Amino acid sequence: AQSVAQPEDQVNVAEGNPLTVKCTYSVSGNPYLFWYVQYPNRGLQFLLKYITGDNLVKGSYGFEAEFNKSQTSFHLKKPSALVSDSALYFCAVRRNSGNTPLVFGKGTRLSVIA
Amino acid sequence: GAVVSQHPSRVICKSGTSVKIECRSLDFQATTMFWYRQFPKKSLMLMATSNEGSKATYEQGVEKDKFLINHASLTLSTLTVTSAHPEDSSFYICSARGLSEELFFGEGSRLTVL
Repeated sequence: AQSVAQPEDQVNVAEGNPLTVKCTYSVSGNPYLFWYVQYPNRGLQFLLKYITGDNLVKGSYGFEAEFNKSQTSFHLKKPSALVSDSALYFCAVRRNSGNTPLVFGKGTRLSVIA
Repeated sequence: GAVVSQHPSRVICKSGTSVKIECRSLDFQATTMFWYRQFPKKSLMLMATSNEGSKATYEQGVEKDKFLINHASLTLSTLTVTSAHPEDSSFYICSARGLSEELFFGEGSRLTVL
């Protein structure tokens, strides 16, 4: 079975500082990994994905994530946080075979303080 | 990028009535769509996988007779909440998988059952 753990319910960071939102996963076989962002009362917006290739993935709005197979992690990072980055962030995983759905972590609320 | 349209965005209904939520892929064909339910401050719970031209596959614990899913075409899936009750009040989100493996999400539909 697939699962995703986001150990932090809330992450607070000062504007301009680097941010990290943690994610670890469990899946049989090779994973497809994703990060999504959700603003209040909105659907999810895609940020970035890891399918194969370079372990460092760059995505929208200056975000990036590094796939670490040995640690089964896919932490989301940004070098300099903006107040507008404040939102709910979801990590998700699925197997790289078959038409399987995404399994989501519980989400991490990021607050960037001016 | 690919767009998924979900309608209505908000609906309020009386207990006992049925509500239909539509999910459309606007610029791509989606043989598979997924329906999620999100409780306040909680992650997304997969309800069912909707396959074009065949019956939906429901997750364990989701009542298929209560949450009717129809995927009549490659661009449209509908979720009907039958005989709605206050405990069905929630945020329902559909998604469709594009060719690049990422999921595109609708904006969500907030259902309030009085």
